[in-house]
Amino acid sequence: IAGITQAPTSQILAAGRRMTLRCTQDMRHNAMYWYRQDLGLGLRLIHYSNTAGTTGKGEVPDGYSVSRANTDDFPLTLASAVPSQTSVYFCASSDSEAFNTGELFFGEGSRLTVL
Amino acid sequence: GQNIDQPTEMTATEGAIVQINCTYQTSGFNGLFWYQQHAGEAPTFLSYNVLDGLEEKGRFSSFLSRSKGYSYLLLKELQMKDSASYLCAVVDSNYQLIWGAGTKLIIKP
Repeated sequence: IAGITQAPTSQILAAGRRMTLRCTQDMRHNAMYWYRQDLGLGLRLIHYSNTAGTTGKGEVPDGYSVSRANTDDFPLTLASAVPSQTSVYFCASSDSEAFNTGELFFGEGSRLTVL
Repeated sequence: GQNIDQPTEMTATEGAIVQINCTYQTSGFNGLFWYQQHAGEAPTFLSYNVLDGLEEKGRFSSFLSRSKGYSYLLLKELQMKDSASYLCAVVDSNYQLIWGAGTKLIIKP
């Protein structure tokens, strides 16, 4: 089934540990995004990539890094997790030629708890 | 600053009609999205408006007034499965997507 796959679905992590959230899409979309969703707040963009080989910072990039070695994969890394990074993380992709004007396809989310 | 306002929660009855409002103050406008998100699941696309007026898609319709900075999502013939959060998001002049916090819709029998 075509779509976006995220892993892990959920994870409990000790503060200070390194963690990589994986995201893979098979729709050949150029643009990919990482969002975090916290109760009472709108989705907040962490990092994005318009095409393979390029990445950009979103609204809340501190403490996170991404890479886009190919079209399909867009992993998000927390170098040293802190409790404020406890959240639900969504990966998304879009095939729109104009940035942020097309439908976003979301993965099922990764629920991360940092203790 | 940029701001998207939606009611936090609404309650409606099965079979009825409900209107979820979204007002926005952004630096420019390049379109408005509505997404549906069931609890514990991913958001899914409902509609995209870039011109003023009403767009109908089955039981769901979305309206936009750019001059008023206002949109609404209209859900007709409500079903229990429509219980979800509805997210409004605006594309600003820099093509950044600004998200509202969402409206939780509770459907009662």
